[in-house]
Amino acid sequence: NAGVTQTPKFQVLKTGQSMTLQCAQDMNHEYMSWYRQDPGMGLRLIHYSVGAGITDQGEVPNGYNVSRSTTEDFPLRLLSAAPSQTSVYFCASSYTSGGAETQYFGPGTRLLVL
Amino acid sequence: RKEVEQDPGPFNVPEGATVAFNCTYSNSASQSFFWYRQDCRKEPKLLMSVYSSGNEDGRFTAQLNRASQYISLLIRDSKLSDSATYLCVVRLPNAGKSTFGDGTTLTVKP
Repeated sequence: NAGVTQTPKFQVLKTGQSMTLQCAQDMNHEYMSWYRQDPGMGLRLIHYSVGAGITDQGEVPNGYNVSRSTTEDFPLRLLSAAPSQTSVYFCASSYTSGGAETQYFGPGTRLLVL
Repeated sequence: RKEVEQDPGPFNVPEGATVAFNCTYSNSASQSFFWYRQDCRKEPKLLMSVYSSGNEDGRFTAQLNRASQYISLLIRDSKLSDSATYLCVVRLPNAGKSTFGDGTTLTVKP
């Protein structure tokens, strides 16, 4: 299994540009999430999904859209990039078993907005 | 108040030391608790889940106190390779989402 893959690894955008960060998992996990991590801080949840066709907002959803048309894919769209969106973005997938959960993260996308 | 709060650190300890990290959470309905490890510029990886009865994995011991809404991680006999940021994570039942603390940075020195 490839696990959780993210593309691109690095991206530079100009203010106002839009783009999509790709995330895919091949573990058939129900749950997928997008986080951003700013320097010296923990991960903040942007959007998450509990299954195909179901998404919900996290802590910091403004400026981002998501969709979950398949179990495998969970793209994150930046509608109009702003310098405040400069961050490292992590996608994660997870499953629960017997009340326990294991969350697997992709390697991250480093985004710089000028 | 943040939902999950951790010792700000950083912790700088010599090899062989015992170090403890603390974490508190605000939502009493939280059901699942975890410690993740994150190396510099890498993705977080699950270190261990935290169970009510406490659990141990080698040199690592995790404790949960639901009454005080407090989680701890104890690392015994610290190794250089333990240097990382440790993230406390809390999850509500059937919520599909996790809340992360800001992390505590540990540096183990020779």
